[in-house]
Amino acid sequence: NAGVTQTPKFQVLKTGQSMTLQCAQDMNHNSMYWYRQDPGMGLRLIYYSASEGTTDKGEVPNGYNVSRLNKREFSLRLESAAPSQTSVYFCASSEGSGGSGNTIYFGEGSWLTVV
Amino acid sequence: SQQGEEDPQALSIQEGENATMNCSYKTSINNLQWYRQNSGRGLVHLILIRSNEREKHSGRLRVTLDTSKKSSSLLITASRAADTASYFCATDRMDTGRRALTFGSGTRLQVQP
Repeated sequence: NAGVTQTPKFQVLKTGQSMTLQCAQDMNHNSMYWYRQDPGMGLRLIYYSASEGTTDKGEVPNGYNVSRLNKREFSLRLESAAPSQTSVYFCASSEGSGGSGNTIYFGEGSWLTVV
Repeated sequence: SQQGEEDPQALSIQEGENATMNCSYKTSINNLQWYRQNSGRGLVHLILIRSNEREKHSGRLRVTLDTSKKSSSLLITASRAADTASYFCATDRMDTGRRALTFGSGTRLQVQP
């Protein structure tokens, strides 16, 4: 049981380049999330998907787009990378909504550096 | 803005001592969760406490919740070097219809062997 798998693990981008972070979960969860973690800032919600076919903005959505491809997969796209997007990105999932007391399961993170 | 804020930001103790971390939040919640993050890894769920509960135990973990003060504490008893990690509280977000969690900035715990 792999849980939440996200790729790539590490990526260096040049300013203005685009890339997609891939995420898949094998727990048949309905809800999926993308967070970013910056030093001393905790985790900030970028986008979330409460169920297949729906996506909603979180706290810091600017500069990002998401796609809930199917129930298993939730990708995060940076259309034109900026140095401010240098961060560690975490994909996560939960059976129901996190706010209802469901445990959120996290991937191992993707370290992104924009130069 | 961050819903949960942990205190202290960093804590260093000796093995065998107890570690207490505090979390404050701003708006009403349905539940509060604590997560742990080892260096370079993803977060792992530790324990959940609902708004109608005051205290909960799980092994060496004890969590309290005071909704009148909008605060929670996580106590790790008889700490071990393996408890070295960052600890985060998380609360349900009203602005997402309580469908997502807001995480605090975390407490970095160092347990000296």
